[in-house]
Amino acid sequence: DIQMTQSPPSLSASLGDKVTITCQASQNINNYLSWYQQRPGRAPRQLIRYTSSLVSGTPSRFSGSGSGTDYSFSISNVESEDIATYYCLQYDSLTWTFGGGTKLELK
Amino acid sequence: QVQLKESGPGLVQPSQTLSLTCTVSGFSLTSYNVHWVRRTPGKGLEWMGVIWSGGNTDYNSALKPRLTITRDISESQVFLTMNSLQTEDTGIYYCTRNGWGGITDYWGQGVMVTVSS
Repeated sequence: DIQMTQSPPSLSASLGDKVTITCQASQNINNYLSWYQQRPGRAPRQLIRYTSSLVSGTPSRFSGSGSGTDYSFSISNVESEDIATYYCLQYDSLTWTFGGGTKLELK
Repeated sequence: QVQLKESGPGLVQPSQTLSLTCTVSGFSLTSYNVHWVRRTPGKGLEWMGVIWSGGNTDYNSALKPRLTITRDISESQVFLTMNSLQTEDTGIYYCTRNGWGGITDYWGQGVMVTVSS
């Protein structure tokens, strides 16, 4: 299976900050990379698919970029509702893989 | 409207078998893929496996020896069976619908599974 290495494991930010999370795949995943948000007690929610395409309903302060094996996800102007754990997911192969997650907390 | 709902026992004894059901409505299992994902304290979100719309299955290689996913199209249900459960299998188990373009647009609310004697 393709391995996904996500960093950092945790992040502390103030309201209005910009934060960035990265994911590195163990092989080229051809931009088949999604980002998910999971708030406590809630099911995961897909924010971005195919590296940078915002899923319907995703605020424009979320963005994604990357290619090959290296991908990143950013939140500009962090809001209180963004406090959650974020995961990357590769779906290039028939077996999907999540990254280890990044927990975003408020300073 | 589209809904997915997981059901199953909340408590399973170590070494026993887990059986979960994902009951869907608002779409056909022959048109959409259904994945199982779990969140465990030790690993965060973990993709477990999928039953594709055509009926084929794929599994996380780490779970493959213990995991089986099947479906009953007429009952709109997808089943997960996993044997030899251990405490590290404790977590919340979700099913999710996947259509084109890698979109997972609907999720169940999840079912909590505790492995304990």
